[in-house]
Amino acid sequence: GAVVSQHPSRVICKSGTSVKIECRSLDFQATTMFWYRQFPKQSLMLMATSNEGSKATYEQGVEKDKFLINHASLTLSTLTVTSAHPEDSSFYICSARGQDRASGANVLTFGAGSRLTVL
Amino acid sequence: QKEVEQNSGPLSVPEGAIASLNCTYSDRVSQSFFWYRQYSGKSPELIMSIYSNGDKEDGRFTAQLNKASQYVSLLIRDSQPSDSATYLCAATTTGTYKYIFGTGTRLKVLA
Repeated sequence: GAVVSQHPSRVICKSGTSVKIECRSLDFQATTMFWYRQFPKQSLMLMATSNEGSKATYEQGVEKDKFLINHASLTLSTLTVTSAHPEDSSFYICSARGQDRASGANVLTFGAGSRLTVL
Repeated sequence: QKEVEQNSGPLSVPEGAIASLNCTYSDRVSQSFFWYRQYSGKSPELIMSIYSNGDKEDGRFTAQLNKASQYVSLLIRDSQPSDSATYLCAATTTGTYKYIFGTGTRLKVLA
């Protein structure tokens, strides 16, 4: 079945620095990946849709210059949080559509998530 | 109306009971629906998908879809303490592959 690997799982950085999070589809090719952010006790909020070989599509209210997304290959998408500030501290989760082994249907599979803490 | 709505809970049920989780949706989402389970501090994992009206069973889980009333539910039979988690209802938006999530319902199964 579809497996999505996300790295790093935890990162702590100083305010003003940039942090890169990687998302890889391990056993399938993902032309589209999605990046979500989740604050404590809240639901997943879609930040952007990452498209292989083209620019990402950002949701309303998400700053594209702050959250840089690169989808250079069919198995790798990266999210870079630039000039991070404490309010950017959150749980960031990537996902990709892949084939579910049980049903054969294409379903959204999540990476393990990356917890970012900005001091 | 939000595209996907859930009661945040918590929903508490005794061990061995049936837990019933509900979700309503708007016209802006398509007819593909999913239930994900999320443990605290972890990312969501898919439990079931449902596309057609009616019931779909998988082990202790049953998903029910009623398009006329625009709701989808998840039943968990013989609930176990390990089922305690937040259950997220999701739907794809019409014409795209974007998944829209509800706020999730926190389930507590009491031993």
